Amino acid sequence: EAGVAQSPRYKIIEKRQSVAFWCNPISGHATLYWYQQILGQGPKLLIQFQNNGVVDDSQLPKDRFSAERLKGVDSTLKIQPAKLEDSAVYLCASSPRLAASTDTQYFGPGTRLTVL
Amino acid sequence: GQQVMQIPQYQHVQEGEDFTTYCNSSTTLSNIQWYKQRPGGHPVFLIQLVKSGEVKKQKRLTFQFGEAKKNSSLHITATQTTDVGTYFCAAISSGSARQLTFGSGTQLTVLP
Repeated sequence: EAGVAQSPRYKIIEKRQSVAFWCNPISGHATLYWYQQILGQGPKLLIQFQNNGVVDDSQLPKDRFSAERLKGVDSTLKIQPAKLEDSAVYLCASSPRLAASTDTQYFGPGTRLTVL
Repeated sequence: GQQVMQIPQYQHVQEGEDFTTYCNSSTTLSNIQWYKQRPGGHPVFLIQLVKSGEVKKQKRLTFQFGEAKKNSSLHITATQTTDVGTYFCAAISSGSARQLTFGSGTQLTVLP
């Protein structure tokens, strides 16, 4: 079974530029998550989708971050414009069922973003 | 919002020594999950605890969930160099939206 795929793996941009990350979850997984992991910290949930609907985006800085999951499969996360403090690893994860708090989350390899 | 405190932040042990990391919450948790993240890698699920007082074992790893469901621990017996990484607990509090809140992690270094 293929895991969660993410691209690009690394991205370096200057502040005020825009950047987009892509995630392809495990086939058939209903729930998709985007996390931000700053160096030395645990992952912080940015947004959670169930199929193509947003369940929780309470920690997403909506003035600069946006995300979508068209057709309930792939997802993109965009930052526009980027700030220095956005430097982090952006992790995508998926889990099989809808609204199942006991589900395991499967993480992708992440995209390491450096904002100069 | 939900906060999960994890200690210690760093732990250096000699190979063969034991290691324990602790996770504490001020609110009752519905369940708790543990993940391991190798250096440069991504979090990988280890186990989930659901019941009060639950104890689960995976080879040299022992996971416990407190009786009040507000704390948990991970104990590794006789550490090996392959145990190196950061161990995170992640919790969903009772009654909340089904999101995981990760602790800050314990970074384990095993000296050969």
